[in-house]
Amino acid sequence: DGGITQSPKYLFRKEGQNVTLSCEQNLNHDAMYWYRQDPGQGLRLIYYSQIVNDFQKGDIAEGYSVSREKKESFPLTVTSAQKNPTAFYLCASRFGQGGEGDEKLFFGSGTQLSVL
Amino acid sequence: GQQLNQSPQSMFIQEGEDVSMNCTSSSIFNTWLWYKQDPGEGPVLLIALYKAGELTSNGRLTAQFGITRKDSFLNISASIPSDVGIYFCAGRRAGYQKVTFGTGTKLQVIP
Repeated sequence: DGGITQSPKYLFRKEGQNVTLSCEQNLNHDAMYWYRQDPGQGLRLIYYSQIVNDFQKGDIAEGYSVSREKKESFPLTVTSAQKNPTAFYLCASRFGQGGEGDEKLFFGSGTQLSVL
Repeated sequence: GQQLNQSPQSMFIQEGEDVSMNCTSSSIFNTWLWYKQDPGEGPVLLIALYKAGELTSNGRLTAQFGITRKDSFLNISASIPSDVGIYFCAGRRAGYQKVTFGTGTKLQVIP
C-alpha cells in the first residue's frame, strides 16, 4: 500500500539529547514537510523540502534540523536547542513543485514526542 | 507566519444535527482545502476547492469557496458519532508555495 510512514509513534527525550523522527513515503512525491501540532493550535511548519538535497526553513525552524538525501525520506532531528519539544509531529508530502492542483498534502500518522 | 482563523473553536452537537464551520483570512487565497483529524492520527483530506464560489460535496460533507476568496465554509449534514474529530481548513495564496493551516474546529457528537 502506498503511503507515508512515521516512526516511532511515541518518543521520549531526555534533557540535552537529540532525537530523530523518521518519515518515509512511497508515493513518489517530490515535496515533503514537517509540521508541529500543539493542543489547541493549528499546524505550524517546521521545515520543507521540494527536491532531494534541498530544504527550506518554515515558520518555527529553530532547534530543529532536517536532511533530504533520498526522495523517499525526510528525517527530522529535534536538537537539545529546542527547549519546548513536547508536541505531536506530523510529516506530509505532495506531488510536484506546488503548481495548480498540487496543493493536496498527504499526512503520516504522527509521532508524539515527550520530554522525560 | 500567517494562520487562518477558524470558527467555532469547538462545538458539541446532537447526533443527526447539521454542522457549519468557517475559515477566514485577511489575504486572498486561490485554493482551499478541508481536512479531518482523528485523535492521535494525521489529518486526512476531505475536499479541495479551486474556484471562487465553487461548491463541492463529499458524501454528507459540503464545502464552499467564498466569493471574496478570503473565506471558505464546511457543512456536515446529519452528523454521526464517527464525525468526531478536529476539522482543519488550509489554503494557498496565489504565487506562494506554502499551504497555510487554520487553527481547527473540534467537533464532538453526542449520541
